[in-house]
Amino acid sequence: ILNVEQSPQSLHVQEGDSTNFTCSFPSSNFYALHWYRWETAKSPEALFVMTLNGDEKKKGRISATLNTKEGYSYLYIKGSQPEDSATYLCAFSGYSTLTFGKGTMLLVSP
Amino acid sequence: DAGVTQSPTHLIKTRGQQVTLRCSPKSGHDTVSWYQQALGQGPQFIFQYYEEEERQRGNFPDRFSGHQFPNYSSELNVNALLLGDSALYLCASSPGTSDIYEQYFGPGTRLTVT
Repeated sequence: ILNVEQSPQSLHVQEGDSTNFTCSFPSSNFYALHWYRWETAKSPEALFVMTLNGDEKKKGRISATLNTKEGYSYLYIKGSQPEDSATYLCAFSGYSTLTFGKGTMLLVSP
Repeated sequence: DAGVTQSPTHLIKTRGQQVTLRCSPKSGHDTVSWYQQALGQGPQFIFQYYEEEERQRGNFPDRFSGHQFPNYSSELNVNALLLGDSALYLCASSPGTSDIYEQYFGPGTRLTVT
């Protein structure tokens, strides 16, 4: 059974704060790492799909890094806004099926 | 483009009954995957359909079965429902079977088994 861990479980920050989350996954048989944002009452939305060690991806104020050798990925949000409030999920693919973590729930207060 | 659609939105069933959930993929996508999200957990992969065949399956019993139609839409069937089958069922589509493709998710079907 693959273990995909996300930390912290939840986070409450003030508007304007920068924040980051961690996704840990097996360091062997790596194929791809996905990040999704899931706002309440909406569908999960893909942020990034990362495949190469050392990959860095950016979308607006959100960026992600990938270290496949040690089995972790970081997601950064710069200058958090209330609309960033959501659950952030990572999913690991090791040449089989996508395995999701439990997510990090972010709440950004104005 | 309507994106991924699922029906119904909510469903209440009794233990032992059978249920069918439906999913229409995003236009241009030929691969449909189903996930179960229980309370407090991340989505768990049930199975994936491509070319009307089940290509991959997660750790779910045979009570969970599916189908994909020629128009790429898909159904998830669950027989002999258990209380533990209560969950949010998510459908996701992609333009191929590789995990390098991001998944486009529908809004989910909330199943409650009483």
